[in-house]
Amino acid sequence: AQSVTQLGSHVSVSEGALVLLRCNYSSSVPPYLFWYVQYPNQGLQLLLKYTSAATLVKGINGFEAEFKKSETSFHLTKPSAHMSDAAEYFCAVINTGGFKTIFGAGTRLFVKA
Amino acid sequence: GAGVSQSPSNKVTEKGKDVELRCDPISGHTALYWYRQSLGQGLEFLIYFQGNSAPDKSGLPSDRFSAERTGGSVSTLTIQRTQQEDSAVYLCASSPHTPTGRTYEQYFGPGTRLTVT
Repeated sequence: AQSVTQLGSHVSVSEGALVLLRCNYSSSVPPYLFWYVQYPNQGLQLLLKYTSAATLVKGINGFEAEFKKSETSFHLTKPSAHMSDAAEYFCAVINTGGFKTIFGAGTRLFVKA
Repeated sequence: GAGVSQSPSNKVTEKGKDVELRCDPISGHTALYWYRQSLGQGLEFLIYFQGNSAPDKSGLPSDRFSAERTGGSVSTLTIQRTQQEDSAVYLCASSPHTPTGRTYEQYFGPGTRLTVT
């Protein structure tokens, strides 16, 4: 069965430091991959998506992610953290042609001043 | 334009009562999803509607849960005889079709926080 693993339920970085949130998926074929962000008391918002085009995907708010088939990974990065980046981040996967989206358990990002 | 809206934003109910949660998707979006998000957990898929096709109910946790989508737009999630373990945030999302097919990304509403006492 399809699964998504996000390593680290909590990640803490200093303002201005690199943000790295890890996501690994299990799939027999390359799926479509997404990162969503959830701010407190809000729904999820799409950050970026991979749909079999360029392996390096740029999203909103300076985030980007790289699809690595050999590692079955889709890690999210941002060169310099901002206080406003503090939120919960979810990695998600959907098989091509499918509809059921499998979400990871989420990683809460804390940004220290 | 208007995003996905959900009502009520908060609902407190007594154990054993029935509740209805409403979702208004983005106009023109043909796909609609319901998810449950329990405290500190990821999103649990509940049900999926696509156009006039039969919904995929494979994620509904029990027969106390049901959902309808009227006229291909508004959806209602009903939980009968609520239990304390039903306490969670219920999220609705919609997804558009493009001329070349699905776009896959989902647009989420703010959720309904359900508390069963």
